[in-house]
Amino acid sequence: SYVLTQPPSVSVAPGETASITCGGNNIGGKSVHWYQQKPGQAPLLVIYYDSERTSGIPERFSGSNFGNTGTLTISRVEAGDEADYYCQVWDFSTDHMVFGGGTKLTVL
Amino acid sequence: QITLKESGPTLVKPTQTLTLTCTFSGFSLSTTGVGVAWIRQPPGKALEWLAIIHWDETRYYSPSLHSRLTITKDASASHVVLTMTNMDPVDTGTYYCAHRGGVNAAIGFWGQGTLVTVSS
Repeated sequence: SYVLTQPPSVSVAPGETASITCGGNNIGGKSVHWYQQKPGQAPLLVIYYDSERTSGIPERFSGSNFGNTGTLTISRVEAGDEADYYCQVWDFSTDHMVFGGGTKLTVL
Repeated sequence: QITLKESGPTLVKPTQTLTLTCTFSGFSLSTTGVGVAWIRQPPGKALEWLAIIHWDETRYYSPSLHSRLTITKDASASHVVLTMTNMDPVDTGTYYCAHRGGVNAAIGFWGQGTLVTVSS
């Protein structure tokens, strides 16, 4: 089955840029979606179809997807961005939904 | 406004069958492309997709849990039910139902989740 690989953790200082990767075999040929989850809350869609920002999500959040890596980039990171981030795709070859293992973003 | 809410038991015993209901509003599960999915999250762990049912009645299941899961929707299509057989303590976690607006679309709307504990 299709596997998405994320780094368990990413740390960044306030004001810096955070990049969270999502690796998968030819993931560039799929649509990648990104979710933010804060403690005790349901996930929130932040980026869909690789690079589209959900309404209300700051422009500091952006996404890209090429080759074997999808990337969520958060510019000018703020303390409020601290959360777990998950990537997700739909694998048409098996008709399965797949989530990455999640990345904990820590703002130093 | 799309909303979803999960309901069901908070505690089940090992070997029992879990039945969860997702009650939704603001959309129709008869609309082309729409699906309702179930996703779970063990405490402190990652999201795990369980199942999805689409507007056309097609259903897909997690390959690792396929034999234990059944997803259905009722005649009025405002409820989706997930059953999971032979529950085990490792199945403890928060169970979410969620709306997907198209076959390749993202999960745009999530329920609040319901915590299910499996313990004797």
